[in-house]
Amino acid sequence: DQQVKQNSPSLSVQEGRISILNCDYTNSMFDYFLWYKKYPAEGPTFLISISSIKDKNEDGRFTVFLNKSAKHLSLHIVPSQPGDSAVYFCAAGTSGTYKYIFGTGTRLKVLA
Amino acid sequence: NAGVTQTPKFQVLKTGQSMTLQCAQDMNHEYMSWYRQDPGMGLRLIHYSVGAGITDQGEVPNGYNVSRSTTEDFPLRLLSAAPSQTSVYFCASSLPGAETQYFGPGTRLLVL
Repeated sequence: DQQVKQNSPSLSVQEGRISILNCDYTNSMFDYFLWYKKYPAEGPTFLISISSIKDKNEDGRFTVFLNKSAKHLSLHIVPSQPGDSAVYFCAAGTSGTYKYIFGTGTRLKVLA
Repeated sequence: NAGVTQTPKFQVLKTGQSMTLQCAQDMNHEYMSWYRQDPGMGLRLIHYSVGAGITDQGEVPNGYNVSRSTTEDFPLRLLSAAPSQTSVYFCASSLPGAETQYFGPGTRLLVL
């Protein structure tokens, strides 16, 4: 039973356009959500996070939206750049427990 | 400041052999954890520690052992390796109360 799902294994986007990566979760106890980016042969690196008291968080070209009623979050990258090509993982958990459930990842390819 | 380091980078084991995956961090982070990444499965939490002398199980702890004698080190032991433990293993650390984790570069393990 996957509590965190990323239903799109891959996504291709033209450079300069918007990339939208989606993530769904099932556990209503989750109140903190994170996105990590992973390049091949490297560990994941933190990208952006959002707590359940917000519905949007921005950091430069990256924005995360949270829809609690739909148990859905999305990561928007605008504009997309070739260096954004990587695998993106969403993770969800209950703050303070240090236990995060990761999705299976979406491989983003930004075409020059 | 090296961050989170993992050794070895790659290891081949025969079924039944034992080995220890090393993880060290120099950021004085109290929280450390071990994940495994398998194709189509995302990252799954094996064991975690909230401080020296304190460890707990994650989602997939069977076949693995951990101990935390210092803040800096968090080794993961495979007691009797099985082909099902073929995976990429990531160690991560974070400050207490901080939800974001810093990941090491990973150890690729192949069990024949």
